[in-house]
Amino acid sequence: AQTVTQSQPEMSVQEAETVTLSCTYDTSENNYYLFWYKQPPSRQMILVIRQEAYKQQNATENRFSVNFQKAAKSFSLKISDSQLGDTAMYFCAFMRYNNNDMRFGAGTRLTVKP
Amino acid sequence: DGGITQSPKYLFRKEGQNVTLSCEQNLNHDAMYWYRQDPGQGLRLIYYSQIVNDFQKGDIAEGYSVSREKKESFPLTVTSAQKNPTAFYLCASSPLRTRSNYGYTFGSGTRLTVV
Repeated sequence: AQTVTQSQPEMSVQEAETVTLSCTYDTSENNYYLFWYKQPPSRQMILVIRQEAYKQQNATENRFSVNFQKAAKSFSLKISDSQLGDTAMYFCAFMRYNNNDMRFGAGTRLTVKP
Repeated sequence: DGGITQSPKYLFRKEGQNVTLSCEQNLNHDAMYWYRQDPGQGLRLIYYSQIVNDFQKGDIAEGYSVSREKKESFPLTVTSAQKNPTAFYLCASSPLRTRSNYGYTFGSGTRLTVV
């Protein structure tokens, strides 16, 4: 079974600064998908960014970007110009290419301080 | 607008009682999922279904049951056999095995408390 590890239970960052959230995963698959989800205090899960393993280029969505290191099985999320609204739980998730069930890490609670 | 509706938002259950959580979607998605969220443990997969009248156990299926009689609906029953049911439950849906997988659409969750 695939496992996803987020080693930082909590992190904080000053507004306008940059922060990086770590995620590692374990799989024997060659093709798969990786995701970062945000869960604000409302508890609604929101997709932040996704990466397809067969694509070498790192995904970017506005202030959010990833550093995907396939050989190291690492998938970190960088948030630039942090905003107060970025305060949330962030979950890293893994999905196999030929199967739809997703596995999540334990999450990182990010607090953006004014 | 299309989306997923979970009800109720809050649910209280007495010990020894079964309770059913509702999940309905109008996205025409084939696949639906139930996750349980506990503090410090992220989301754990309970059950999932990829087609009507078929479903598979996830990692923590013991004490839970599901049905998929309609494409739009995937209710979860928390039975009295579930030892520690107090948790936040999330339902999700997705298209089935598309080449470009955009992940899940999630409902807003149900908070279940055993009293």
